[in-house]
Amino acid sequence: EVQLLESGGGLVKPGGSLRLSCAASGFIFSSAWMNWVRQAPGKGLEWVGRIRRKVDDEATDYAAPVQGRFTVSRDDSKNILYLQMNSLKTEDTAVYYCTTGSDEGIWGQGTMVTVSS
Amino acid sequence: QTVVTQEPSLTVSPGGTVTLTCASNTGAVTSDYYPNWVQQKPGQAPRSLIYSTSKKHSWTPARFSGSLLGGKAALTLSGVQTEDEAEYYCLLYHGVAQVFGGGTKLTVL
Repeated sequence: EVQLLESGGGLVKPGGSLRLSCAASGFIFSSAWMNWVRQAPGKGLEWVGRIRRKVDDEATDYAAPVQGRFTVSRDDSKNILYLQMNSLKTEDTAVYYCTTGSDEGIWGQGTMVTVSS
Repeated sequence: QTVVTQEPSLTVSPGGTVTLTCASNTGAVTSDYYPNWVQQKPGQAPRSLIYSTSKKHSWTPARFSGSLLGGKAALTLSGVQTEDEAEYYCLLYHGVAQVFGGGTKLTVL
């Protein structure tokens, strides 16, 4: 079964850090460009960042609001995607989804991150 | 700043046809923006329906189709069913960035 399963969400104070994981199964993870997308409570979808494949140098791109604070990485040996989030702000509170590139069109179920004092 | 605009809400009757559109403030939407359409029902994760303007995934019902229409990306639902009531988001690729529209809430009644 094709699946993406996020984990690592929780409650963190402003200025803190958190690392999210996304375990992939049922498809060739190493061949896929991978994305993180978030959704604040009651709001729409917002693209966060992307990592390309190893053959594309695992290059990363980020949305302006998270540039310099968030880092996307991957471990193809474990089929896991990561999102390291530093200097968290209250406005980072959201459900975080990992997704594949457009061709595969796979979404995880999401993990909730709450940034609050 | 790139802004992608969708109709905030639309209503359609069961069995009817409705078209949702997706515009960019940078100009006409073309296939170079690789338009995607994503469906989200309340309390559920998003689900990809259309990619690269008009390509369907294996799970995409035949009644959904994507196109370019008058400088915008478009999602057309033909023979709408009650289960199609959901929020629909378009996604456009702007260079290295991806930008979602604000979503269209589709009501079927």
